[in-house]
Amino acid sequence: DAGVIQSPRHEVTEMGQEVTLRCKPISGHNSLFWYRQTMMRGLELLIYFNNNVPIDDSGMPEDRFSAKMPNASFSTLKIQPSEPRDSAVYFCASSLRAGLDSPLHFGNGTRLTVT
Amino acid sequence: AQTVTQSQPEMSVQEAETVTLSCTYDTSESNYYLFWYKQPPSRQMILVIRQEAYKQQNATENRFSVNFQKAAKSFSLKISDSQLGDTAMYFCAFMKRGGDDKIIFGKGTRLHILP
Repeated sequence: DAGVIQSPRHEVTEMGQEVTLRCKPISGHNSLFWYRQTMMRGLELLIYFNNNVPIDDSGMPEDRFSAKMPNASFSTLKIQPSEPRDSAVYFCASSLRAGLDSPLHFGNGTRLTVT
Repeated sequence: AQTVTQSQPEMSVQEAETVTLSCTYDTSESNYYLFWYKQPPSRQMILVIRQEAYKQQNATENRFSVNFQKAAKSFSLKISDSQLGDTAMYFCAFMKRGGDDKIIFGKGTRLHILP
């Protein structure tokens, strides 16, 4: 099993540009989570999905952020337009199924730098 | 809402010494899990140890052990015989049992093991 795969590993963009981060969860996992890590706030949960359906997006900071999960094997987190304060490491994680208390498996994160 | 607090932003200890990382949490739930995750410079999120709140016995994994005080809502991590490879960011985390597998993280403690 390749684990949770995130791309790109690094992204550098200019303020105002659209940024799309990608995640492929572990095959067979039905829950997917997007986290953001910064020095000031640590790891914050942005949004999570069960069976491709967004369950809680209360952590999404602004309308500039959106996330989709069109199928069980792919999710995107989009920032449009991007701002320097969006610079952070964004993690995707998946788990087997909600309610099973199964462990989260994390990807290696995408480091986003907005200049 | 649950909160997780790590009061030590950064710590340093000599190799082979024992170090304790502190964590407190707040919740109204009675059934939950507590975790310690390790994040080395590679950015991987590695599960170090997991404690089930309904178990009184403290979890242990080789050189890593916890001191779980449920009434005090305290969950500290002890690393014995520390090694250079233990240098990392350590996150304390909370998950409600039987929920959506959503994990709430503290802000982390950066641990340096000195040669």
